[in-house]
Amino acid sequence: QKEVEQDPGPLSVPEGAIVSLNCTYSNSAFQYFMWYRQYSRKGPELLMYTYSSGNKEDGRFTAQVDKSSKYISLFIRDSQPSDSATYLCAMSAESVNFNKFYFGSGTKLNVKP
Amino acid sequence: DVKVTQSSRYLVKRTGEKVFLECVQDMDHENMFWYRQDPGLGLRLIYFSYDVKMKEKGDIPEGYSVSREKKERFSLILESASTNQTSMYLCASSLTGDFPEQYFGPGTRLTVT
Repeated sequence: QKEVEQDPGPLSVPEGAIVSLNCTYSNSAFQYFMWYRQYSRKGPELLMYTYSSGNKEDGRFTAQVDKSSKYISLFIRDSQPSDSATYLCAMSAESVNFNKFYFGSGTKLNVKP
Repeated sequence: DVKVTQSSRYLVKRTGEKVFLECVQDMDHENMFWYRQDPGLGLRLIYFSYDVKMKEKGDIPEGYSVSREKKERFSLILESASTNQTSMYLCASSLTGDFPEQYFGPGTRLTVT
């Protein structure tokens, strides 16, 4: 079983829709939960992160973590064509010097004008 | 802004060739990483380094080696390239600290024929 599971999509939505992206994980030691966005032919860039449980909001983006269900979500409100990208979830447990990241396989999102 | 640069965006090599991929970061980060990214498999860690001349194997080190002679530079070496090493290679760097955000380079698309 993979440490992190993510539906690869693709997900196609009309502009203005609410988008929900999700990942599940198996390792209860994970404490950092991250969402990276990767545009075509570019490297991933950090979009949001949360530590432990709860919600975090940043503009049109909301990240949710449910540790009891081992489930994380990223919601995008009022989606825009510029949100079209691959979204990768990533997770990490705490360590002294180095936090290994475990990545999902990514969900490709297409927002149609 | 943190900048991670990779020596080539696209590279085509023949089977059996020795291949060098170079990565440079300009933010004095202690940690550097090499990943490969394949469709459906996400990012898989090849090697990482937490200090100059220090290296640790990741999940898929077979067929690869690394070198870190200077803090800002981390090289990935394919000793004898094979077709199954055709992939997107991503370099990343991070600080050691409370939240080890990884900053990624643009990637090198390597094709081995």
